[in-house]
Amino acid sequence: GAVVSQHPSWVICKSGTSVKIECRSLDFQATTMFWYRQFPKQSLMLMATSNEGSKATYEQGVEKDKFLINHASLTLSTLTVTSAHPEDSSFYICSASPGWEQYFGPGTRLTVT
Amino acid sequence: DQQVKQNSPSLSVQEGRISILNCDYTNSMFDYFLWYKKYPAEGPTFLISISSIKDKNEDGRFTVFLNKSAKHLSLHIVPSQPGDSAVYFCAASGDDKIIFGKGTRLHILP
Repeated sequence: GAVVSQHPSWVICKSGTSVKIECRSLDFQATTMFWYRQFPKQSLMLMATSNEGSKATYEQGVEKDKFLINHASLTLSTLTVTSAHPEDSSFYICSASPGWEQYFGPGTRLTVT
Repeated sequence: DQQVKQNSPSLSVQEGRISILNCDYTNSMFDYFLWYKKYPAEGPTFLISISSIKDKNEDGRFTVFLNKSAKHLSLHIVPSQPGDSAVYFCAASGDDKIIFGKGTRLHILP
């Protein structure tokens, strides 16, 4: 149990376009979902925390107009990277929390050309 | 199939003693391992990491040991402090992916 999926697992897009990444909790309801950016062999950078039905809380330095987060239901959160640029290329990971536990998705590799 | 396993969901340790958190993995292609600490209602924060070419990495009170033949890593915290009470996740990285364990909840007892 406690599976979190992400879709797509990898995506390549052109500079200036927008990309949407979905994060789903498959067998539990997640009151809170987190979005991270992971740099190779480095720490996970928390981008934002989203609670179902309310606006996401962004970490300092993360542009909320560029990284749009929607947590429409207790099992789905989406991250939209708007007007993507090559420097946005990264590995994006979500996690879902039904309580004190936290379950991670497999990640989405975004490459912006 | 869990590639990264933390078999103890919780652990209680007396303040001042050593806390040992364990993690097992199945994929020998992982080349980097990380530990994260998480407080309630917050995201995980990076704690310490180790490359697969090493067997030990130390940072203050935290030491991570890697036993590649056993596909096992452990995090040692000594001495344990009240602020160490949190959930600890191990993660394994390689082949352009990172896999997390399900976490171990550490309670530091006064």
